[in-house]
Amino acid sequence: GAVVSQHPSRVICKSGTSVKIECRSLDFQATTMFWYRQFPKQSLMLMATSNEGSKATYEQGVEKDKFLINHASLTLSTLTVTSAHPEDSSFYICSARDPQGRNQPQHFGDGTRLSIL
Amino acid sequence: DAKTTQPTSMDCAEGRAANLPCNHSTISGNEYVYWYRQIHSQGPQYIIHGLKNNETNEMASLIITEDRKSSTLILPHATLRDTAVYYCIVRIQNSGNTPLVFGKGTRLSVIA
Repeated sequence: GAVVSQHPSRVICKSGTSVKIECRSLDFQATTMFWYRQFPKQSLMLMATSNEGSKATYEQGVEKDKFLINHASLTLSTLTVTSAHPEDSSFYICSARDPQGRNQPQHFGDGTRLSIL
Repeated sequence: DAKTTQPTSMDCAEGRAANLPCNHSTISGNEYVYWYRQIHSQGPQYIIHGLKNNETNEMASLIITEDRKSSTLILPHATLRDTAVYYCIVRIQNSGNTPLVFGKGTRLSVIA
């Protein structure tokens, strides 16, 4: 079963709208979560690392004021795309790893497909 | 930059074994080889990982060469549902704060 839950799975909204995506770790606490973005026919690109209790770390070229990340608890990280525009349309995927397990791999949510009209 | 190289695409007949190669000639001694796959419009799915010994689980087998510069993921009996992009990634195990870095992967098409 899924160990990382992402919601919503799909969003269609008008340009200028802010959209919030939730990522939850199930059955484990994740002090660190990762947010990726994937454009059509391309690979996953890391956007930022979400840290519980502290500021997120953003990759070069990712605007922190545009993509707000809040890691409010050990099981929840949110990504808010503020004032979204058509070029923000993409597949957003979150990921987390259970730090307690020595051999636990990094697990991924099912992604959120964002379409800005 | 991704530290692995994979063929862009491969075809496999349904029911046959799918052998997906990966080159990681600059792998460090403490880096593991991880394999994930991404079925269309879904998040990546963990398949298997290994350090230097061959590994097998219910999904696949991982064969790592003795010099660890390359590996092969084997799906013993490919089905249509195995059609996906397969990613080979090297990273230090238990580096929970270090994200996976994805290359372009191999697009496997399983053909009936």
